[in-house]
Amino acid sequence: GAVVSQHPSWVICKSGTSVKIECRSLDFQATTMFWYRQFPKQSLMLMATSNEGSKATYEQGVEKDKFLINHASLTLSTLTVTSAHPEDSSFYICSARARGLNEKLFFGSGTQLSVL
Amino acid sequence: QKEVEQDPGPLSVPEGAIVSLNCTYSNSAFQYFMWYRQYSRKGPELLMYTYSSGNKEDGRFTAQVDKSSKYISLFIRDSQPSDSATYLCATISNFGNEKLTFGTGTRLTIIP
Repeated sequence: GAVVSQHPSWVICKSGTSVKIECRSLDFQATTMFWYRQFPKQSLMLMATSNEGSKATYEQGVEKDKFLINHASLTLSTLTVTSAHPEDSSFYICSARARGLNEKLFFGSGTQLSVL
Repeated sequence: QKEVEQDPGPLSVPEGAIVSLNCTYSNSAFQYFMWYRQYSRKGPELLMYTYSSGNKEDGRFTAQVDKSSKYISLFIRDSQPSDSATYLCATISNFGNEKLTFGTGTRLTIIP
């Protein structure tokens, strides 16, 4: 089946630093990638939607200058949390929609970010 | 009111029991319904996908959609400890719309 690889799975950083999270579709072309945030015991909150080669569309309340999304190719999207603060600590999950498989949304394994 | 309501649980049942997980939704435009399973600190994985009303069976799992009452269910037969996870329902009106709407997830524990 289709695989989405997300790295790193776990990162600790100091407040004020930036962290980059990568999301790769390993065996399919991802026409659209989504970035979610999940707090403990809560559901996934969509942060932004990105299509290859175009600017990401951010959900209301998500700061686009803080959460930089780059979807440079059909197999790679990155989320950079800039100037991270403790309140940014969360579980971040990417997902990718496969071309030709509209009903299937494949998720990465998630990244646990802890900002000290 | 949330567009998709799901009891967060936790729900604990003995091994071998039938599990019933449910969601309700408010938007009658929703047509596609999914159930995802998420293990702790992992990304969700698609379990079941249904379109419009009806039942769909896959092994021990049965997904049921009743659009008239805006009610969706997932049944797990012969539950196993490995089924212990959080189950999220999700729905979308059409895939051109792009965004899935998720329930909060139900934490399920199967007791050996």
